[in-house]
Parts: sequence; C-alpha cells; structure tokens
Amino acid sequence: KAGVTQTPRYLIKTRGQQVTLSCSPISGHRSVSWYQQTPGQGLQFLFEYFSETQRNKGNFPGRFSGRQFSNSRSEMNVSTLELGDSALYLCASSYSGGGRQNIQYFGAGTRLSVL
Amino acid sequence: KNQVEQSPQSLIILEGKNCTLQCNYTVSPFSNLRWYKQDTGRGPVSLTIMTFSENTKSNGRYTATLDADTKQSSLHITASQLSDSASYICVVSPTTSGTYKYIFGTGTRLKVLA
Repeated sequence: KAGVTQTPRYLIKTRGQQVTLSCSPISGHRSVSWYQQTPGQGLQFLFEYFSETQRNKGNFPGRFSGRQFSNSRSEMNVSTLELGDSALYLCASSYSGGGRQNIQYFGAGTRLSVL
Repeated sequence: KNQVEQSPQSLIILEGKNCTLQCNYTVSPFSNLRWYKQDTGRGPVSLTIMTFSENTKSNGRYTATLDADTKQSSLHITASQLSDSASYICVVSPTTSGTYKYIFGTGTRLKVLA
C-alpha cells in the first residue's frame, strides 16, 4: 500500500510569490491534515480536510488556504510569501480524522525556502 | 493557554541503555495524547495513542505512560538502538466545542551512540 505522497519535495520561492503544495493520501483515507514545522516553533497545525470540506483550522493567517478533491487528494496554497513561511510542510492522512484514535500517517514533507 | 512542554530538549545515551522522555501539558480537557518519532528529513511516525482514561500503552520497546491528574506523560525507551536516534514529539488533542486541534510539543532530540 503506497504511503502519503507529497510533491514537490523541495521548493524555492521569493517573497511575494505564491506556492501550491500537493498531497496524495493513503488509498481509502478521507482525512488530510496539513502542518508547518520550523526549528523555532516546532510542528503547528494548519488545517484538516475531510470529504472535501475543511473540518478544522489552526491559527494561521488567511494567506494559507487549502482544498481537497473528490479523490481525497489535497492541495495547500500560500499566497504573498514571507520569509517566515520558510518551513517543512507536512501532510498527514487518516481514515476518518485524527481527533479520535485514528492513526495519522505522515508524508515526507515539502521543504519550502523563501528568499 | 494550552501548552505542551517536553524535556529534556536533547539527550545523548549509549546503545543498550534505557531512557525516559517527559511531556507536561496544560491542555484540559483533552481527547488523546500521542507520541511520534521523527527521523531527520522524514515525517513523524505514530508510536502510541492514549485517551485520557488510559495510563499506559506499549509499542515494542516504547512504553508511554499518562497521569491525567498531574498532566504528565512519559515515553520510556528500553534497550536503546542506534535507530532510535530521532526527535520524539508529544501531541495533545484538546476537546473543544466538538472540534479538535493538535497542540505539539517542541520535541526531544535523542542521539544514541555506539
């Protein structure tokens, strides 16, 4: 069974640009969550999608958005990039959502560098 | 403010030794507490998940304990191996207004030496 796939693995952008990251969950998983990981802040929850609907959202500005498609694949978009957006962006999938005891499976992440 | 604090920040031990990592949280009430292992350059991998009513959960050489009264959890690693070198992250999911989020600790970086 294929794991969670995130593309691209590495990305370099400049301030003011926008970026779209992609996540393909494990087959059969309907929940996809996104996280930002930085050395200073650690892992922070961005949002969770379930059946194409955003079910939960962390405390990030509106520049961070996402969506989920009917095949459960998800994309995350960051507009007007800032230097502080440089981070590892992780995607995790689970069968029905991590708020219960469902195990989340993480992808390897997309490392975004903003210059 | 809901917080999750882990200690120590980093730890170096010799192969074969045991170690215990700590997680203190102020999140209340909470749905579950998880421990993850994250190898360098990879995504976290789930080790254990405990609800507020559980006080211990094992996964091979990893044993997590939870004391809901003192709001403390620990992860005990037995007979450490070189492959245990990684960051270990404690995560608490609060129960708030029927929704849930995740509050992450900043992790403990473990280095196992031969």
